[in-house]
Amino acid sequence: GDSVTQMEGPVTLSEEAFLTINCTYTATGYPSLFWYVQYPGEGLQLLLKATKADDKGSNKGFEATYRKETTSFHLEKGSVQVSDSAVYFCALSEQGGSEKLVFGKGMKLTVNP
Amino acid sequence: DTEVTQTPKHLVMGMTNKKSLKCEQHMGHRAMYWYKQKAKKPPELMFVYSYEKLSINESVPSRFSPECPNSSLLNLHLHALQPEDSALYLCASTRGHSYNEQFFGPGTRLTVL
Repeated sequence: GDSVTQMEGPVTLSEEAFLTINCTYTATGYPSLFWYVQYPGEGLQLLLKATKADDKGSNKGFEATYRKETTSFHLEKGSVQVSDSAVYFCALSEQGGSEKLVFGKGMKLTVNP
Repeated sequence: DTEVTQTPKHLVMGMTNKKSLKCEQHMGHRAMYWYKQKAKKPPELMFVYSYEKLSINESVPSRFSPECPNSSLLNLHLHALQPEDSALYLCASTRGHSYNEQFFGPGTRLTVL
């Protein structure tokens, strides 16, 4: 079945550091890929998405590129802020649309001033 | 209106109590979801309603009973829960049928004593 593997952390960075969170997937065809973020005490928010190969999703300074050849969707940000402290989940949905999201295990990021 | 709302925000109940969680969206979405999330874990899918009909039940115990009275509203009725059912319960919605970007509510933090 489909699966998502991501860095689990936890990771602690200093403000303005560069962030990369690795995410790779196993799926048939061309799934849609997502990054969700969960701030403390809140639900999940969609951070960015990509629906086909070579698409780049971007939002709030975060970026991720859908790489079919490496089955990856790594999340990057050039300069993190304290407000980016949260748990980040990589997820996929099967090609053609599916009622299910397959989540990675999530990675907790803490950014210190 | 681009949000999913959930009530209550917190709920404490005894094992013999009956309570309900409520979820509402006014985005015209036709698929709605219940998830259970334990600490430091990704959300686990419980139920999916598509066009007001139950389409997925992930083998959830019968002490959890979902209800979809209309396309904007989703309830989760709780009865005779166990302490291990304590978790964050998340509701989500999508436009339905191949639109797989899910919008999440803030969740209900449930504690079973």
